[in-house]
Amino acid sequence: GAGVSQSPSNKVTEKGKDVELRCDPISGHTALYWYRQSLGQGLEFLIYFQGNSAPDKSGLPSDRFSAERTGGSVSTLTIQRTQQEDSAVYLCASSRQGFDHNEQFFGPGTRLTVL
Amino acid sequence: GDSVTQMEGPVTLSEEAFLTINCTYTATGYPSLFWYVQYPGEGLQLLLKATKADDKGSNKGFEATYRKETTSFHLEKGSVQVSDSAVYFCALSDGTSGTYKYIFGTGTRLKVLA
Repeated sequence: GAGVSQSPSNKVTEKGKDVELRCDPISGHTALYWYRQSLGQGLEFLIYFQGNSAPDKSGLPSDRFSAERTGGSVSTLTIQRTQQEDSAVYLCASSRQGFDHNEQFFGPGTRLTVL
Repeated sequence: GDSVTQMEGPVTLSEEAFLTINCTYTATGYPSLFWYVQYPGEGLQLLLKATKADDKGSNKGFEATYRKETTSFHLEKGSVQVSDSAVYFCALSDGTSGTYKYIFGTGTRLKVLA
């Protein structure tokens, strides 16, 4: 079956521009996560969505970062006024909450480069 | 808060050598433990998992045992192959707070030489 998909696979932007990253989770997965993978920080949790519950935004590094999940499926991570330190690979994962010990399935990531 | 400590890399081994990558954790609850692998140019893939104390996860010749007494989940393989060259991440998931987010270790790069 289809896995988690993310788009675009690569994004190059100029400092100060806004970017939107998209994630399509596995069908039927109610939980969705965003992580960031960067050289200096490793893999960091950003935000978590579960069904209709309020998202856990505790990992977002600044108020320039926001995310939404429409219809319990597709999610968009938005970074406003990008900075060079935002350059990283942004990973999306989904899971069946309450099943399989919440094993997460990861997408291929979006590599963001801020010039 | 919860954390995962993983041995520093890179680790360079000859083919057929024995592999151990150490992973220890701290958690307030009873986490599930995972090893993920990232092959060059690819995304994160689950390698194995264990969900309670004394469970052993295994896959593709890799094994790890959930040791509550030592809070460890070390990854082992008896005979590595060149194709095992990748970055390995140890992770925990603790749903005590209601969020089953992963806490990852820093990753260990393994290079296997023919």
